[in-house]
Amino acid sequence: DQQVKQNSPSLSVQEGRISILNCDYTNSMFDYFLWYKKYPAEGPTFLISISSIKDKNEDGRFTVFLNKSAKHLSLHIVPSQPGDSAVYFCAASDSQGAQKLVFGQGTRLTINP
Amino acid sequence: NAGVMQNPRHLVRRRGQEARLRCSPMKGHSHVYWYRQLPEEGLKFMVYLQKENIIDESGMPKERFSAEFPKEGPSILRIQQVVRGDSAAYFCASSPFGGWGGYTFGSGTRLTVV
Repeated sequence: DQQVKQNSPSLSVQEGRISILNCDYTNSMFDYFLWYKKYPAEGPTFLISISSIKDKNEDGRFTVFLNKSAKHLSLHIVPSQPGDSAVYFCAASDSQGAQKLVFGQGTRLTINP
Repeated sequence: NAGVMQNPRHLVRRRGQEARLRCSPMKGHSHVYWYRQLPEEGLKFMVYLQKENIIDESGMPKERFSAEFPKEGPSILRIQQVVRGDSAAYFCASSPFGGWGGYTFGSGTRLTVV
């Protein structure tokens, strides 16, 4: 039972344009969401998070949007840079099981020069 | 301030052998989490430990897998009698407090069972 889904295994974007990565979830108990970036042979690194009491959170080039009614979140990267090429994971947590994260399958983002 | 250290980076075991994966948390972090990533999948939670205590092992397979985080030394994930399906990347994360995924992940141990 995949509670967090990233339906696009891969995405290719031109350098300088906007990258939009999507994530859907099914568990209505989730109330905290995170995005991680992962390079090959390295561990995931935290990018940005959002609490369910918000619908948007911004940090530099990265913005996360949360649509609770649709159980959908997205990560926007503007402008996209070659160093953004990596696998991006969406993850979710709930107040009861706050110690563990449920991850999506990941989306491989490739930024083309 | 070293990050989360995992060793070995790569581990090859024959079927039936034991695998021991080590994780040294960041300095000052007393919470450790283990995740497993199978090929082409996301990370899946296995176990959450504090010093000398297992807090949540809801993601651990019922047999062959165990974890500990002793008072001194690294956290150990042990897999007995490994099978081919155990081949995966195992990631450890640590945090200074529990909750809200404020983790720092290590670079992982890639286990290959032949």
